[in-house]
Amino acid sequence: EDQVTQSPEALRLQEGESSSLNCSYTVSGLRGLFWYRQDPGKGPEFLFTLYSAGEEKEKERLKATLTKKESFLHITAPKPEDSATYLCAVQEQVNTNAGKSTFGDGTTLTVKP
Amino acid sequence: EAGVAQSPRYKIIEKRQSVAFWCNPISGHATLYWYQQILGQGPKLLIQFQNNGVVDDSQLPKDRFSAERLKGVDSTLKIQPAKLEDSAVYLCASSLGSSPSAEAFFGQGTRLTVV
Repeated sequence: EDQVTQSPEALRLQEGESSSLNCSYTVSGLRGLFWYRQDPGKGPEFLFTLYSAGEEKEKERLKATLTKKESFLHITAPKPEDSATYLCAVQEQVNTNAGKSTFGDGTTLTVKP
Repeated sequence: EAGVAQSPRYKIIEKRQSVAFWCNPISGHATLYWYQQILGQGPKLLIQFQNNGVVDDSQLPKDRFSAERLKGVDSTLKIQPAKLEDSAVYLCASSLGSSPSAEAFFGQGTRLTVV
């Protein structure tokens, strides 16, 4: 059975204090790994898709990396507005025309000014 | 571009009652998803449609949950009868297709409380 495990469950940082969030996964036939941001009372908001080991993507203070077993979301010099829950999801092949995504339980990030 | 619309935003019902949620995806999006998100957990896929057809409903409790997508556009998710453990946020999402390159857009969700 596909598994996605995120750590830590919660992370508190001071503004400017860089850190990383981890997403470990086991899946057969990985089609893609996604990172989402979710603010309280809202649906997840897409951040990145990674397709293969060694790939990296960046957006503002966020950088996502992928290996064969895990992905990291690096946050450089975070600001209070980066506070949110960050969700990781992996997509496996269901059939020739579709994929199915499995989410982790997320890391709740709090950045204090 | 209008986002994914869901209604209602909040619903409180008693156990054993029935409830229905509605979703209007982004225009032109062929793939539609219903997720259940229990407090403190990640979203769990209940059902995935590709146009009118069901791609995956392996985690849908079919004895009490049903979903349909008429004409490949709007969708409804129904629970009958509801149980206390159904209390959660029900999220609808849509994408152009189901490949990893097709970004999924989520609605704000319907928060269901079963008492």
